[in-house]
Amino acid sequence: GIQVEQSPPDLILQEGANSTLRCNFSDSVNNLQWFHQNPWGQLINLFYIPSGTKQNGRLSATTVATERYSLLYISSSQTTDSGVYFCAVVGNQFYFGTGTSLTVIP
Amino acid sequence: GAVVSQHPSWVICKSGTSVKIECRSLDFQATTMFWYRQFPKQSLMLMATSNEGSKATYEQGVEKDKFLINHASLTLSTLTVTSAHPEDSSFYICSTDRGYGYTFGSGTRLTVV
Repeated sequence: GIQVEQSPPDLILQEGANSTLRCNFSDSVNNLQWFHQNPWGQLINLFYIPSGTKQNGRLSATTVATERYSLLYISSSQTTDSGVYFCAVVGNQFYFGTGTSLTVIP
Repeated sequence: GAVVSQHPSWVICKSGTSVKIECRSLDFQATTMFWYRQFPKQSLMLMATSNEGSKATYEQGVEKDKFLINHASLTLSTLTVTSAHPEDSSFYICSTDRGYGYTFGSGTRLTVV
C-alpha cells in the first residue's frame, strides 16, 4: 500500500503564530484530502486537493503531485485549531497519514 | 454538503455482548461505505469496505466473523462487533466517497468492560 508520512508528529504553537504541516506519500495518488480531527473525534474535511493550491480563510493547502507531497498552512493560529491534522490519499483505497497533533496555547 | 449520520456516538458494553453501529447517508445514496478503527494516539486504519447488496471486503487481519458488516440498502450500513472484548475498545468511524472527496460519520467510541 501507499505510505503516508506526516511531519512534525507534534507541534505546540503560541496563539497567533503560523505553521506548516507536511504530508509525504510514496506513490501516485488520485486524490488527497486534509482533515482536522477535533477532541471529540469528529473528522472535519478541510481541503480536497489532488493538486494545486487552495485557500479557505486562515488555512491554505498546496499539493505537488509530481513530487508526492502536500503542505497545509495555518496562519494566525487560534486555540480552536488544536487537534490532530490528517492527510489522506486515494490509491486503490483511502490511506491515512500518521497525523500531526497540534496544540495552540493562549 | 454530504452528511453521514453515525449512531451511537458512544457505547459501553459488557465483555461478551454484541454492539451494533449504524451509519446512514442522509442526502445521497451510498453504494460503498468504508469502516475504520482508530486506537488512541494512532491514525485511522481501514477495517472493511461494505457494498450495497453484496458481501463486505475485509482488510488483512480483520476477523469477518467478529466484525459483521451489513449494507442492505443504499442509505444504511451497519457494523456489529460480536462477542466484544476489552481489546475491541476503540473509536469506529464510517466514511463514503461522494466523488468529490470522502465524508465521515461522527464516530462511535466503544468501551468494553
